Amino acid sequence: DAGVIQSPRHEVTEMGQEVTLRCKPISGHNSLFWYRQTMMRGLELLIYFNNNVPIDDSGMPEDRFSAKMPNASFSTLKIQPSEPRDSAVYFCASSLEGGAPYNEQFFGPGTRLTVL
Amino acid sequence: AQSVTQLGSHVSVSEGALVLLRCNYSSSVPPYLFWYVQYPNQGLQLLLKYTTGATLVKGINGFEAEFKKSETSFHLTKPTAHMSDAAEYFCAVKGSNYKLTFGKGTLLTVNP
Repeated sequence: DAGVIQSPRHEVTEMGQEVTLRCKPISGHNSLFWYRQTMMRGLELLIYFNNNVPIDDSGMPEDRFSAKMPNASFSTLKIQPSEPRDSAVYFCASSLEGGAPYNEQFFGPGTRLTVL
Repeated sequence: AQSVTQLGSHVSVSEGALVLLRCNYSSSVPPYLFWYVQYPNQGLQLLLKYTTGATLVKGINGFEAEFKKSETSFHLTKPTAHMSDAAEYFCAVKGSNYKLTFGKGTLLTVNP
């Protein structure tokens, strides 16, 4: 398996522009997570999907952020409009939840976002 | 609610020396505990995990960790550090649901 795939790996944009980050989870996994990593706040869970349905979006910073999972093999995280404080590394992770609670999350390589 | 405290944001060791990275957790239910490693410009990779049973858990790359319930700790060790071990290490705790709570991370530097 190719693992979790994220694109793009790097994104540089200007303040006010729309940014879309993409994720393909591992085939067969039923859960998908979006995280944000910054020096100040560490790893933060933004949103959790189970069977393509958003279960917990309490970590989404504000209305400028939105996430979708139209099918089991694809998810997007959109920021509009983007601001410099959104600069961070965004990770997507997937797992098989609902069975053993100790199933690990598998992380993608991340997207490094820089908003100028 | 769960939380993780990693003592020491930066640990520096000499090549060949013992590696000890500290992790203490708080959980209202029996925890599941994880150590992840992050190499520069990469995602997180699972090193090892504790679920139930044996409290000494062996992972990849020669790392191991011991679950001590009385001390609410899950420290990560490796007898002999290699240059390739230089990375950031994250301890994480999971309760009975999906939520994985991470510590702030410990950056390990290995000096030649």
